[in-house]
Amino acid sequence: KAGVTQTPRYLIKTRGQQVTLSCSPISGHRSVSWYQQTPGQGLQFLFEYFSETQRNKGNFPGRFSGRQFSNSRSEMNVSTLELGDSALYLCASTYTVAGIETQYFGPGTRLLVL
Amino acid sequence: DAKTTQPTSMDCAEGRAANLPCNHSTISGNEYVYWYRQIHSQGPQYIIHGLKNNETNEMASLIITEDRKSSTLILPHATLRDTAVYYCMIHNAGNMLTFGGGTRLMVKP
Repeated sequence: KAGVTQTPRYLIKTRGQQVTLSCSPISGHRSVSWYQQTPGQGLQFLFEYFSETQRNKGNFPGRFSGRQFSNSRSEMNVSTLELGDSALYLCASTYTVAGIETQYFGPGTRLLVL
Repeated sequence: DAKTTQPTSMDCAEGRAANLPCNHSTISGNEYVYWYRQIHSQGPQYIIHGLKNNETNEMASLIITEDRKSSTLILPHATLRDTAVYYCMIHNAGNMLTFGGGTRLMVKP
């Protein structure tokens, strides 16, 4: 099976702009989670979507939003970008069997805000 | 999810076993121990998980103490490509993964 894919891989934006990142989960995986990774804060959970519904949400401002489509593909959007939003954004799709969940991560999108 | 404690960094000689410890003294009965690793600038990679029995797969072995308050990830024959940050996490179904600081493993020739 193909792994989790994320597009674009690299992105440069300026303050105040908005950005949309895309994630395609592994075929058959219905849950998609998003994480932000920065040198200062490490890996932090943003939100999780399952069957087009947000199931969990981390402690990020409302500028960060996401959605999931019927084919399980997911997008996250960041509006009014700030310098501190520069980070590696990771998407993970979840494989669940007998109640045990395993997350498989994509390569990430590296966002630089100037 | 319960909190974990890992050493900040460890070194290991190439070809030798790497033993990475993790303390999770507040783990509850239905929480699993998960290990992931992250090679520089890549997404985290799932390694192994376990509940109370020792587990082994093609990548590593996981040894969980009888009281479940600690565990050890074993890479039996470390290679240079195993240099990475290794994260130990306690996870409950339906919740998000909480990443701590992890252990930076340096495999040296």
